[in-house]
Amino acid sequence: GAVVSQHPSWVICKSGTSVKIECRSLDFQATTMFWYRQFPKQSLMLMATSNEGSKATYEQGVEKDKFLINHASLTLSTLTVTSAHPEDSSFYICSAVTSDLYNEQFFGPGTRLTVL
Amino acid sequence: KQEVTQIPAALSVPEGENLVLNCSFTDSAIYNLQWFRQDPGKGLTSLLLIQSSQREQTSGRLNASLDKSSGRSTLYIAASQPGDSATYLCAVRQTSGTYKYIFGTGTRLKVLA
Repeated sequence: GAVVSQHPSWVICKSGTSVKIECRSLDFQATTMFWYRQFPKQSLMLMATSNEGSKATYEQGVEKDKFLINHASLTLSTLTVTSAHPEDSSFYICSAVTSDLYNEQFFGPGTRLTVL
Repeated sequence: KQEVTQIPAALSVPEGENLVLNCSFTDSAIYNLQWFRQDPGKGLTSLLLIQSSQREQTSGRLNASLDKSSGRSTLYIAASQPGDSATYLCAVRQTSGTYKYIFGTGTRLKVLA
């Protein structure tokens, strides 16, 4: 199946710093990618839809100025958590949608962010 | 607003049992439904994708069915193994032109050796 990678797999940062997470589709092009966050023992919550070449669409309640998304190419989307605080600590997962008939969604392995 | 619920929230069974995981959704106007597996601290692995026009999909010991009109899907796991222990998530995609998926609440499965 299609492969989606994320980098880094985990990151620890100090409060107030910014952290960038990359999401790459390795063997297919994805005009649409999604960013999710997941708290312990909870399901995935969609944060935003990342569209190649255009602005991201954020879900209600997600601060777009805090969670900056850039989808610069058909294989790369980045999520930058700006001025991170401890409450931003979470598991962030991206996904990429194939451009074939079924538009199947493949997920990255996730990034564990811990803000001290 | 679409809501996706999974029952049970947690399940513990002895090895070898056949089991059924349930997923229900409130808006039957879906494009497809996908079942995923998530191991602790890991990302998601796609198990089965069912298009809205399909009734079921099978892969090895897994069988997923879809009854769109009643807003239900089931994931059947035959002859469960300890390696099947994980959280299982279902997700539905709406028919509107978005690829957005709404995830269910998940079922944590533990298969005892």
